[in-house]
Amino acid sequence: NAGVTQTPKFQVLKTGQSMTLQCAQDMNHNSMYWYRQDPGMGLRLIYYSASEGTTDKGEVPNGYNVSRLNKREFSLRLESAAPSQTSVYFCASRSVGGQVYGYTFGSGTRLTVV
Amino acid sequence: KQEVTQIPAALSVPEGENLVLNCSFTDSAIYNLQWFRQDPGKGLTSLLLIQSSQREQTSGRLNASLDKSSGRSTLYIAASQPGDSATYLCAVQYPNTDKLIFGTGTRLQVFP
Repeated sequence: NAGVTQTPKFQVLKTGQSMTLQCAQDMNHNSMYWYRQDPGMGLRLIYYSASEGTTDKGEVPNGYNVSRLNKREFSLRLESAAPSQTSVYFCASRSVGGQVYGYTFGSGTRLTVV
Repeated sequence: KQEVTQIPAALSVPEGENLVLNCSFTDSAIYNLQWFRQDPGKGLTSLLLIQSSQREQTSGRLNASLDKSSGRSTLYIAASQPGDSATYLCAVQYPNTDKLIFGTGTRLQVFP
């Protein structure tokens, strides 16, 4: 099925460990995004990529790095995980100037840092 | 600071009721506004998108209106059904930026 695929779906890390969250879309979208969702705070933008080869900081970029590997893939890396990074992470994509509904979201990665 | 607020935070209604969800934004110079649905443990599904020049959009039993000057949008759900139970999020996009600012959502429960 066409859409945004995130892996893994669940992950538990120890403080200080590193990991990469993977995201891939097969809709030929130009823009891709990483959001985190925390109770009572809504979704907040971490990083985004308007096109292949470009990345920009969002609202809460500290502690994260991203890579836009190609047009399909946009990964999010936690170099040294902290309990404050316990959250649900969503990847999204959008075709600029395209569809009425624009944004397509993945099903999320639930990350717990202990 | 550009902020989006949704009230109420939670709503429980019997099946068949018509209901209204509210969204307000502090900076009225938006480019567009979107309503999303999120089921428990799932991602977001886009429901309606209203461009800044539009006053409303409709999809089936859903109608979203936009009053840009007052910084408000409402999502009207007609004849609610248990399958409508979910969290509804609104998000705004401003000109010359490629990101959405989300509200914290309204958690809706429709009971039979």
